Amino acid sequence: QVQLQQSGPRLVKPSHTLSLTCAISGDSVSSNSVAWNWIRQSPSRGLEWLGRTYYRSRWYHEYAGSVKSRITINPDTAENQFSLQLNSVTPEDTAVYYCARDGFCSNFACSFDYWGQGILVTVSS
Amino acid sequence: DIQMTQFPFTLSASVGDRVTITCRASQSISNWLAWYQQKPGKAPKVLIYKASSLVSGVPSRFSGSGSGTDFTLSISSLQPDDFATYYCQQYNSYSRNFGQGTKVEIK
Repeated sequence: QVQLQQSGPRLVKPSHTLSLTCAISGDSVSSNSVAWNWIRQSPSRGLEWLGRTYYRSRWYHEYAGSVKSRITINPDTAENQFSLQLNSVTPEDTAVYYCARDGFCSNFACSFDYWGQGILVTVSS
Repeated sequence: DIQMTQFPFTLSASVGDRVTITCRASQSISNWLAWYQQKPGKAPKVLIYKASSLVSGVPSRFSGSGSGTDFTLSISSLQPDDFATYYCQQYNSYSRNFGQGTKVEIK
């Protein structure tokens, strides 16, 4: 059974960097058949896919256009986890952040079959 | 970007009712659509993928249909555990957009 456990600060100051980690059990961040995503949810923006990382002989990273200039998603193979960093945050980045695994896929994208528990991150001074 | 529009926004129903939720894509997504159920304080849970395929372990009272731009999620006989918010999500394109959600409330 795949489980994703999220951790990280709940409060981030404006212009600072939001950092979260998602620890994986029951699967591997280096798996050749799945990818690992970050998604956020807020009343104003709804559910929004932010990006993913995956391994296919080398590491790949894909990011949503809305955050592409500010986001980094990195795998940590030693700890079997992956992380999210979002730079230069504003109050508009206040949201519940989820990590999730790719589920069923088309040729272009995937749904999400396993999710972390979610962390509410508030951007405020 | 493909936009996903769900309706109704809120649905009031009683235990035992048949309910139907609609999701419309701004352009064709073939059948690359998933449905999720979300309860307060919890992560979304996938119910249906590829528009009509039921995820293992999901009760058979849930069903999905549609292709192209118009899709529906139906619950044949609403149970107390089904009161929640439901989201559609397209995975035909890079953006992977979600609908804005439909809240199913107790009548």
